Amino acid sequence: NAGVTQTPKFRILKIGQSMTLQCAQDMNHNYMYWYRQDPGMGLKLIYYSVGAGITDKGEVPNGYNVSRSTTEDFPLRLELAAPSQTSVYFCASSYRDTYNEQFFGPGTRLTVL
Amino acid sequence: RKEVEQDPGPFNVPEGATVAFNCTYSNSASQSFFWYRQDCRKEPKLLMSVYSSGNEDGRFTAQLNRASQYISLLIRDSKLSDSATYLCVVNIGYTDKLIFGTGTRLQVFP
Repeated sequence: NAGVTQTPKFRILKIGQSMTLQCAQDMNHNYMYWYRQDPGMGLKLIYYSVGAGITDKGEVPNGYNVSRSTTEDFPLRLELAAPSQTSVYFCASSYRDTYNEQFFGPGTRLTVL
Repeated sequence: RKEVEQDPGPFNVPEGATVAFNCTYSNSASQSFFWYRQDCRKEPKLLMSVYSSGNEDGRFTAQLNRASQYISLLIRDSKLSDSATYLCVVNIGYTDKLIFGTGTRLQVFP
């Protein structure tokens, strides 16, 4: 099993550009999550999904969109990138709810200039 | 009061030392508690869940104190490889959402 995979690993965007961060898991997990981690800060939940076709906002959803058309994939879309979105983005998945371990991908380091 | 608070450290300890971290949480309805470990520039990984009765995994012991709303992590016989940031994670009240603390950095030296 590859676990949770994320692409790209690194990306530099210009202000106003858009991009999609890819996330996939092969563990047949129902729950998937997107977090961002700023230096010296805890992970902040952007969006999460409890199953295909179902998504919900987390703590910091503004400027992002998600979709969950399959159990395996949970892409994160950044529209009109801003410097405030410079961060490390982690995707995670868990079998069921928060009582279960979350498995994280290796992260995407995004810089918006 | 922050939902989850941790001492950022760093805790600098020699090999073989015992070190303990505490983490306080604000929502008395929280039910799920975890310690995650995050190495520099890597993803977090689950170290251990924290159960009401306390639990141990090798050199690591986790405890929950509901009355005072904190969890703790005790590391015995510290190894160089224990150097990392330890994240306290708590669910928000009755929800499925988790709050990650900012982490406590541990540096073990020879």
